[in-house]
Amino acid sequence: DTGVSQDPRHKITKRGQNVTFRCDPISEHNRLYWYRQTLGQGPEFLTYFQNEAQLEKSRLLSDRFSAERPKGSFSTLEIQRTEQGDSAMYLCASSLELTGGGNYGYTFGSGTRLTVV
Amino acid sequence: DAKTTQPPSMDCAEGRAANLPCNHSTISGNEYVYWYRQIHSQGPQYIIHGLKNNETNEMASLIITEDRKSSTLILPHATLRDTAVYYCIVRTLSGYSTLTFGKGTMLLVSP
Repeated sequence: DTGVSQDPRHKITKRGQNVTFRCDPISEHNRLYWYRQTLGQGPEFLTYFQNEAQLEKSRLLSDRFSAERPKGSFSTLEIQRTEQGDSAMYLCASSLELTGGGNYGYTFGSGTRLTVV
Repeated sequence: DAKTTQPPSMDCAEGRAANLPCNHSTISGNEYVYWYRQIHSQGPQYIIHGLKNNETNEMASLIITEDRKSSTLILPHATLRDTAVYYCIVRTLSGYSTLTFGKGTMLLVSP
């Protein structure tokens, strides 16, 4: 396993277009997270999945954003009608959450850098 | 999750120890201290975590004060590749908590 993979690495899109990013987590990890990071800031939590169930969504995740993890493996993050303010690095992470608690760290991908022009 | 306070930047000479402080005065009894770092254009990387005892692994050491209100991440022999933003995060291991990042400390290791 080579870690968390994200595709594409870079995306330039025109304002108003839809974009979709993909994340392939570490195979044995049951949790998958999406974060957004703008220049000079730490990553901001967007949403996470436990297997295929989306358990939490940040208020940052507007109606234009939707995330799926259909079979509990890879995940997609779609942004509809992109705006210039959506320009950011979108990071995916995965972790193994043990029954009864216990999490030994997230593994992050290298991110997808979105530029909306 | 409790908030943390870190200096915005620090400098360190190559080969010397880098000691990165973090204040977490409102930490709860069941919250762990996690450290991550982010090298430019990469995703954050897990370094170490602890509850109340000092911890050491191949990357770093974590020293947590007895009252748990602060901690220090120690890179014993900093290299140029350790130049990164270092994030100190406190969180529980409960099922529904997630990592909340602040702005971190930008560590610059110089020759």
